[in-house]
Amino acid sequence: LAKTTQPISMDSYEGQEVNITCSHNNIATNDYITWYQQFPSQGPRFIIQGYKTKVTNEVASLFIPADRKSSTLSLPRVSLSDTAVYYCLVGDSWGKLQFGAGTQVVVTP
Amino acid sequence: DTGVSQNPRHKITKRGQNVTFRCDPISEHNRLYWYRQTLGQGPEFLTYFQNEAQLEKSRLLSDRFSAERPKGSFSTLEIQRTEQGDSAMYLCASSSGGGTSSYEQYFGPGTRLTVT
Repeated sequence: LAKTTQPISMDSYEGQEVNITCSHNNIATNDYITWYQQFPSQGPRFIIQGYKTKVTNEVASLFIPADRKSSTLSLPRVSLSDTAVYYCLVGDSWGKLQFGAGTQVVVTP
Repeated sequence: DTGVSQNPRHKITKRGQNVTFRCDPISEHNRLYWYRQTLGQGPEFLTYFQNEAQLEKSRLLSDRFSAERPKGSFSTLEIQRTEQGDSAMYLCASSSGGGTSSYEQYFGPGTRLTVT
């Protein structure tokens, strides 16, 4: 499974856009990119997944360049409740998710 | 759809005792996964099932760990002769199948194990 590298932490203010970039230089042709969110004492929650270009849902956008060696999760207009750890994962269709340490996002008023 | 449930939510046990955790996946989800998470780290994959078949086990899963999913419904994870290093949050997740849907896993709230 390809390894990922993402910042340890990011700070933001309410109402701002937060962009978290993840590096996955060894991503395989069949790998998809998936992002999860985790609050303290809860299990992770699926946010978004993509293979290439741009994917958008009601929660976030995922930007993937043509070489797929990185991806950026964009959280529009964050609120205090978006304070959480965000994980970037790559993997094959068996769903054997390999989590890293994630990015701790802290949103302040 | 009531989500993935796990029981118990907390378990405190003495070193050397056996413990068993239960996971009830979302109904009709044929894939079930177990992960372990320690403080400050992301979840680590332990094992997963496709229906009742256990398809893969991580090297993290020593011989003291065993998981079952009889009839492809709920699953149990048993740890024998617990050690202090087993203290962690044990997470269960389920998904509806292979392909891209396997990336969208629904996690339960976890069972926090403390071995004293």
